[in-house]
Amino acid sequence: DVKVTQSSRYLVKRTGEKVFLECVQDMDHENMFWYRQDPGLGLRLIYFSYDVKMKEKGDIPEGYSVSREKKERFSLILESASTNQTSMYLCASSSLRTGNSPLHFGNGTRLTVT
Amino acid sequence: AQSVTQLDSQVPVFEEAPVELRCNYSSSVSVYLFWYVQYPNQGLQLLLKYLSGSTLVKGINGFEAEFNKSQTSFHLRKPSVHISDTAEYFCAVSRMDSSYKLIFGSGTRLLVRP
Repeated sequence: DVKVTQSSRYLVKRTGEKVFLECVQDMDHENMFWYRQDPGLGLRLIYFSYDVKMKEKGDIPEGYSVSREKKERFSLILESASTNQTSMYLCASSSLRTGNSPLHFGNGTRLTVT
Repeated sequence: AQSVTQLDSQVPVFEEAPVELRCNYSSSVSVYLFWYVQYPNQGLQLLLKYLSGSTLVKGINGFEAEFNKSQTSFHLRKPSVHISDTAEYFCAVSRMDSSYKLIFGSGTRLLVRP
């Protein structure tokens, strides 16, 4: 079974702090994704990566950056956290560069910015 | 661009009753369709997917969905629900031609009552 592990389940940070959310997958998947989940809005794609050191912006990249130095690890960075970034963050991975490959999700990191 | 609409934000139902969760999509190109389920305090997991072929797709836990191209719908059904089906359900689409990005609906919370 694919395992996608997010390093923190809950995180509380202060406004202006630099925040790192880490995600590791153990199935050699090419694609990795960061989504944020908010009530009534579903999941919105922040960034994705289809290879090491490759990244593409999703639908809501503003205020975020990402890093993929190794195939199994995909980091989401909030350069200067703001209260409107309080949310549930979900990491996912998939194996193929085609649209029929299902996503495998981690359990999420609930970030609160005060 | 693709979009997904889940009109019902919450569906309450009694145990052992049938349920239908509605999903409509719009796209200028052919798409793949997915249903994901999120149990409390967990990430999303794949329930079922439509890639091609038979329009009736069976998934895990007794769920099934029917692809209707003319109505651009992909409704999820279960003939008899259990308390353990209480969860949030997300419909998602991805393009057939090349993209592996999934576009998610806003989710439907299924609340099964005894």
